Amino acid sequence: AQTVTQSQPEMSVQEAETVTLSCTYDTSESNYYLFWYKQPPSRQMILVIRQEAYKQQNATENRFSVNFQKAAKSFSLKISDSQLGDTAMYFCAFMLSGTSYGKLTFGQGTILTVHP
Amino acid sequence: GAVVSQHPSWVICKSGTSVKIECRSLDFQATTMFWYRQFPKQSLMLMATSNEGSKATYEQGVEKDKFLINHASLTLSTLTVTSAHPEDSSFYICSARDPGQGAYGYTFGSGTRLTVV
Repeated sequence: AQTVTQSQPEMSVQEAETVTLSCTYDTSESNYYLFWYKQPPSRQMILVIRQEAYKQQNATENRFSVNFQKAAKSFSLKISDSQLGDTAMYFCAFMLSGTSYGKLTFGQGTILTVHP
Repeated sequence: GAVVSQHPSWVICKSGTSVKIECRSLDFQATTMFWYRQFPKQSLMLMATSNEGSKATYEQGVEKDKFLINHASLTLSTLTVTSAHPEDSSFYICSARDPGQGAYGYTFGSGTRLTVV
């Protein structure tokens, strides 16, 4: 079974600064995908960024980037130039390749607060 | 993009009654749907996987007689919480998979907040 661990229950950052959210996972599989989801107060799940395990290059999406360390099974999210709208709960998630497409294992979540 | 409609968005029911939550894919055929449960400020936990036309596969520890899942068509899956009790109060989220879209072909519904009084 796969597990995902987010060791930071809460984080805070000043507007315009940079913050990094941590995530580690455990799996014996080699083909998988990793995701960061944002859940604002509306509780709608919003995909922030995704990473295919077979790709060495770290994914980036505008202000969001990841540091994917496959050997260490680490997948951290960096948010640059933080904005008030980034305030939300963030989940790291794992998905196996193949027949498990769509079946996600989530970490415990990190509540991020961006202060003006 | 793909749209998944989940209804109701919130529901209050009396203890002992049953409540049904619908998850509908509006513009694609979802062969597989997933049901998650989330307690306040906690993680999403997968409850079950439903495949169209067959019985749902429940995760360990989830009572299949309590949480009835039906996936009778390629666009609709329902979760029925039977004989609900206050401890069933939670946020329930579905996601639907479009098999033609590969690894990223799944979309979340907007969730249902269930309160049992």
